[in-house]
Amino acid sequence: GAVVSQHPSRVICKSGTSVKIECRSLDFQATTMFWYRQFPKQSLMLMATSNEGSKATYEQGVEKDKFLINHASLTLSTLTVTSAHPEDSSFYICSASSAGGYEQYFGPGTRLTVT
Amino acid sequence: AQSVTQPDIHITVSEGASLELRCNYSYGATPYLFWYVQSPGQGLQLLLKYFSGDTLVQGIKGFEAEFKRSQSSFNLRKPSVHWSDAAEYFCAVGANQGGKLIFGQGTELSVKP
Repeated sequence: GAVVSQHPSRVICKSGTSVKIECRSLDFQATTMFWYRQFPKQSLMLMATSNEGSKATYEQGVEKDKFLINHASLTLSTLTVTSAHPEDSSFYICSASSAGGYEQYFGPGTRLTVT
Repeated sequence: AQSVTQPDIHITVSEGASLELRCNYSYGATPYLFWYVQSPGQGLQLLLKYFSGDTLVQGIKGFEAEFKRSQSSFNLRKPSVHWSDAAEYFCAVGANQGGKLIFGQGTELSVKP
C-alpha cells in the first residue's frame, strides 16, 4: 500500500515553455502533498506544501508564480513550471501523506531538462 | 530551528562489513525520525522510522537504528553490508502529523568487493 506515482518520469522542454508534472496517490487519500527539488549530489529541498482544496504554502525563496501547484483532489497534485529556463532543470520529487499520518510516501521523481 | 546533520558525506565499506551511518538532529520536542534510501535517479524508499516507544527500531533490508535522546542521534546500522546497499541515505526529522520533513545532507555509501 501507500504508493505514489509521478508522471512523466522524464521530460525535456525548450526554454520559455511550461511543463506540468503530476503526482498521484494510488491507494490512499493524500490530504497533504509536498513538492521537493533535488540537485545532483544534494539533498531534497522542500519547495511547497499543499493541502487538498487549499492554496499551496511555498517555502522561502520559491517563486509561487513560477512553480504553480494545484491540489484539486485527494489523489492528485500537479506542479507546473512556467516559462522554464535551463536553471530550472532538476529532479522533482513529490510526496504525500494521509490525514493524521506522520509518514510521507514518495514518488519516483521526475527529471526535467530545459534546453 | 529544526535541523539534521549527517556528518559523513561519503562512506566506503567492504561487502560483508558492518555499517553505521550517523545522524544528529536539533529539535525542541520529541521528533519523528526517518531514514530513507535513494538509488540514482530514483525516489526515496523508507527504511525505518521512529515515533515513540522502543528506541531500537528495525527496518527493511536488515537495517536498524537507535534513537538516543541524550545524544540527539538516530544512527543507522547494518551488521553485514551487501553490494546492493550502495546508494544515498538520508536522515529526516518531522515535527508533527502531516508536517514537513527536514532532511540531512545525505551520506553516499559505496560498497567495495
